[in-house]
Amino acid sequence: GEDVEQSLFLSVREGDSSVINCTYTDSSSTYLYWYKQEPGAGLQLLTYIFSNMDMKQDQRLTVLLNKKDKHLSLRIADTQTGDSAIYFCAESITTGTASKLTFGTGTRLQVTL
Amino acid sequence: GAVVSQHPSRVICKSGTSVKIECRSLDFQATTMFWYRQFPKQSLMLMATSNEGSKATYEQGVEKDKFLINHASLTLSTLTVTSAHPEDSSFYICSAGGVTRDEQFFGPGTRLTVL
Repeated sequence: GEDVEQSLFLSVREGDSSVINCTYTDSSSTYLYWYKQEPGAGLQLLTYIFSNMDMKQDQRLTVLLNKKDKHLSLRIADTQTGDSAIYFCAESITTGTASKLTFGTGTRLQVTL
Repeated sequence: GAVVSQHPSRVICKSGTSVKIECRSLDFQATTMFWYRQFPKQSLMLMATSNEGSKATYEQGVEKDKFLINHASLTLSTLTVTSAHPEDSSFYICSAGGVTRDEQFFGPGTRLTVL
């Protein structure tokens, strides 16, 4: 199966940390990604993690991967109003020479003052 | 680097007409491009995978005769929505495959409104 689930909405105060969660079902994924989408725009790749890693940190972003539970999270430290957007996790599955991305349902992050 | 453009960014058309959307990789060559569709407040759904010089591979449930894909060069893929109807109104996003098999670089999207 290729279902990727996320909670729909998250509200945090400016300066707090945000944690966005994602669960997936296909254990053969090679990479897992986090994308950001602002209104009316395309997707911006924020970060990614290879499936044999547990954690990756990139400035304010920390990705945690629990492969046993098929759970991925994105932590944004010191959340700013500019972080307000929809966040999608995605898993990449390679079959033969082709790779396909399956996207999660998206989490809308609202940052309040 | 790795910039992907789409044209037009917005298009409004009458029901029954056809609309062509272009996807270009500006600073790299992409043998594979992907077309996604996104309904309001929903996720991206892969419609088809476009390979340069060969026929596109469509996902289950996507009508290949309605959504014509052409990938004539390593920097350009086009999606033509034929005989568009209001239910085809959506946000269409393309992506281009990078050097590694898993990388995809996304275009800014095209909002199609069919009246």
